[in-house]
Amino acid sequence: SQQGEEDPQALSIQEGENATMNCSYKTSINNLQWYRQNSGRGLVHLILIRSNEREKHSGRLRVTLDTSKKSSSLLITASRAADTASYFCATAGGMFSGGYNKLIFGAGTRLAVHP
Amino acid sequence: ETGVTQTPRHLVMGMTNKKSLKCEQHLGHNAMYWYKQSAKKPLELMFVYSLEERVENNSVPSRFSPECPNSSHLFLHLHTLQPEDSALYLCASSQGWKDRELGPHEQYFGPGTRLTVT
Repeated sequence: SQQGEEDPQALSIQEGENATMNCSYKTSINNLQWYRQNSGRGLVHLILIRSNEREKHSGRLRVTLDTSKKSSSLLITASRAADTASYFCATAGGMFSGGYNKLIFGAGTRLAVHP
Repeated sequence: ETGVTQTPRHLVMGMTNKKSLKCEQHLGHNAMYWYKQSAKKPLELMFVYSLEERVENNSVPSRFSPECPNSSHLFLHLHTLQPEDSALYLCASSQGWKDRELGPHEQYFGPGTRLTVT
């Protein structure tokens, strides 16, 4: 079953504005990860937040995690045209698999930043 | 550059052809993955190899056949595909994880192979 679901599906903003994307999930997690994908390319890992963390920063990215609500948000501050991409959250799905990662990705948020 | 390469980048094949996708990682990871990404659908995990042993096969049709000869290389052999198999096929690698509390590590993706089945 799908674990992470992003909201909104699409977001269009002007350069310099902030962009906020949300992710909800259903079961308990050890960590939650955010990835970016430029059109037709591979995914790039952005940030990992553990279940015992509430907030994490990386450059212009800020991720929050609320395990009581089973939700996370990704904030991109002072957006640039180069931030135009799809953004995915990913969580570990199912039972502990032992020795390898099993991430389940949401459908993503398509972000368009206009100059 | 993520340290994961995929070839070819684009592939057009007929339904009766046999072709192979190749993935190579230069990161020293011990787990490798094949994903399928179709338009307007979430990323689908197809296969996982950990320490060269297949540990996950998500009910993928037998017309897709993976091979992992060593921890750095992963192949996806294709035969008698259907038009609905047209998609972006992504390879990824990561370190495995043993500690239940730590959870999965980040994955590093290749650029993908855009496959079109005619």
